[in-house]
Amino acid sequence: EAGVAQSPRYKIIEKRQSVAFWCNPISGHATLYWYQQILGQGPKLLIQFQNNGVVDDSQLPKDRFSAERLKGVDSTLKIQPAKLEDSAVYLCASSLRAEWAYEQYFGPGTRLTVT
Amino acid sequence: GQQVMQIPQYQHVQEGEDFTTYCNSSTTLSNIQWYKQRPGGHPVFLIQLVKSGEVKKQKRLTFQFGEAKKNSSLHITATQTTDVGTYFCAGFSGGGADGLTFGKGTHLIIQP
Repeated sequence: EAGVAQSPRYKIIEKRQSVAFWCNPISGHATLYWYQQILGQGPKLLIQFQNNGVVDDSQLPKDRFSAERLKGVDSTLKIQPAKLEDSAVYLCASSLRAEWAYEQYFGPGTRLTVT
Repeated sequence: GQQVMQIPQYQHVQEGEDFTTYCNSSTTLSNIQWYKQRPGGHPVFLIQLVKSGEVKKQKRLTFQFGEAKKNSSLHITATQTTDVGTYFCAGFSGGGADGLTFGKGTHLIIQP
């Protein structure tokens, strides 16, 4: 079974630039999550999709971050414009369902450096 | 909002010694999950605890869920170099719309 795919693996941008990350979840997984992991901390949930609908985006900085999951499969996370404090690893995860927090499978992440 | 705290933040042990990390939630949890993240890697699911007072074992790893479902622990017996990494607990408060809240993790460093 293929795992969660993410690209790019690394990205370096200057502040105020835009960046986009892509995620392809495990086939058949209805729930998709985007997390931000700052160095030395645990993953922080940014947004959760159930199929192509948003379930929870309460911690997403909506003035600069946006995410979509077209057709309930792939997802993109965009930051526009980026700030220095956005430097982090952005992890995508998927699970079969959201109820009872089924086991989440994480992708390798995208390491973003904002200079 | 829900907060999940983990202690210690770092733990240095000699290979062969035991290791324990503790997790406490500010709210009662529906369940709790544990993940391991190797250096440079991504979190990998270890186990999920659902019942009050539940204890589960995986070889040298023992996981406990508190009676009040607000705390949990992970104990590793006789650590090995392959146990190196950061161990995260992640709590789920339920309600369908809530995602997991991760603790900051415990970094396990093993000296041969």
